[in-house]
Amino acid sequence: DGGITQSPKYLFRKEGQNVTLSCEQNLNHDAMYWYRQDPGQGLRLIYYSQIVNDFQKGDIAEGYSVSREKKESFPLTVTSAQKNPTAFYLCASSRHNQGAYSTDTQYFGPGTRLTVL
Amino acid sequence: GENVEQHPSTLSVQEGDSAVIKCTYSDSASNYFPWYKQELGKRPQLIIDIRSNVGEKKDQRIAVTLNKTAKHFSLHITETQPEDSAVYFCAASPHYTSGTYKYIFGTGTRLKVLA
Repeated sequence: DGGITQSPKYLFRKEGQNVTLSCEQNLNHDAMYWYRQDPGQGLRLIYYSQIVNDFQKGDIAEGYSVSREKKESFPLTVTSAQKNPTAFYLCASSRHNQGAYSTDTQYFGPGTRLTVL
Repeated sequence: GENVEQHPSTLSVQEGDSAVIKCTYSDSASNYFPWYKQELGKRPQLIIDIRSNVGEKKDQRIAVTLNKTAKHFSLHITETQPEDSAVYFCAASPHYTSGTYKYIFGTGTRLKVLA
């Protein structure tokens, strides 16, 4: 998991602003994921991408957008439409295995803590 | 839809005792079950995983058991130490032929090891 980086570590957003969270991996992983974690809560999937130039909505995609123009990068934009964006955002990546028992361990980045001012 | 239930939500044990966390999954196509440990403010870290063709796996003080028939899997930590205190998440992942590599995560268990 040391091959996944997220920036910035802390981010502050004003009302009505869009902000972009960076996620980069040098593990040559095909799939990348964005999760949101609220205090004392579990992980909720925002968006995921299994291949370059393709991505799918997760369980809580409203108010977020992503792009996957490069294999190693999967930035997340938190738009002004997301009314309660204060949370800990985690990016993850995994390798595709297409054997009978595919092992697609997800490795997490260090996270970005977003706070709305 | 698919879900993973995790129990208990909090668990306190005395140092040296064992801790057991249980998860139940609904999607019979799930074939990979990782466990993550998350310390406060840090990223989740994989501590052990198991595939559906194996019933049990052990790594030093940590073990995971899987009952495919009952769709249960459990994390066992023996000889607990204060540094085991953290939140533990289970997850279930479907076979790739389902077309997705999404995890379904449990809601987490906060483990406190009392010295």
